[in-house]
Amino acid sequence: DTAVSQTPKYLVTQMGNDKSIKCEQNLGHDTMYWYKQDSKKFLKIMFSYNNKELIINETVPNRFSPKSPDKAHLNLHINSLELGDSAVYFCASSPTGEWQFFGPGTRLTVL
Amino acid sequence: AQSVTQPDIHITVSEGASLELRCNYSYGATPYLFWYVQSPGQGLQLLLKYFSGDTLVQGIKGFEAEFKRSQSSFNLRKPSVHWSDAAEYFCAVGVKAAGNKLTFGGGTRVLVKP
Repeated sequence: DTAVSQTPKYLVTQMGNDKSIKCEQNLGHDTMYWYKQDSKKFLKIMFSYNNKELIINETVPNRFSPKSPDKAHLNLHINSLELGDSAVYFCASSPTGEWQFFGPGTRLTVL
Repeated sequence: AQSVTQPDIHITVSEGASLELRCNYSYGATPYLFWYVQSPGQGLQLLLKYFSGDTLVQGIKGFEAEFKRSQSSFNLRKPSVHWSDAAEYFCAVGVKAAGNKLTFGGGTRVLVKP
């Protein structure tokens, strides 16, 4: 049973397109996160939701919009994709906020 | 704001030898501390965590880490490395006041020689 799943695993698209990445956790956790890992492997928090409420919104372009339809899902929608958006995006969930369980990642390539 | 430094970008170690990965953090109070491992093309797996109490914590896969408040360090160790330990290792700081977001170090890539 996958605890934190992300779809798709790979996403290749053209500049200017709009795309979404989906994340689901079946752990019953209240808090979910999105992280971006760049080409140098550097990981940075983007957003966090607690029970469908946005609690962390780091300095991320407005083209990125998270959506949490329920506490088991946190999707990431990206408008007008740019070359610099190419990265691996990780979803994570947390039971209490103290440690986080990561998904397998979505590798986004913008051409 | 908190920060994490992993001074070693790459470490090469022979199979069977011991391994120590360094991690230094910057934060005004005692943070939550974590080590994650990322195998090639994979997600991050939690190795161990420190919240409070005993400063020597045991994790999975034979890893341990020691929290030293005076040095603001949380170094990861393994007495005998296996070829399967070749991966990228990330130290992270979590701060409850900051919504429990994790701030990661830049990672240390471990290569294991036969």
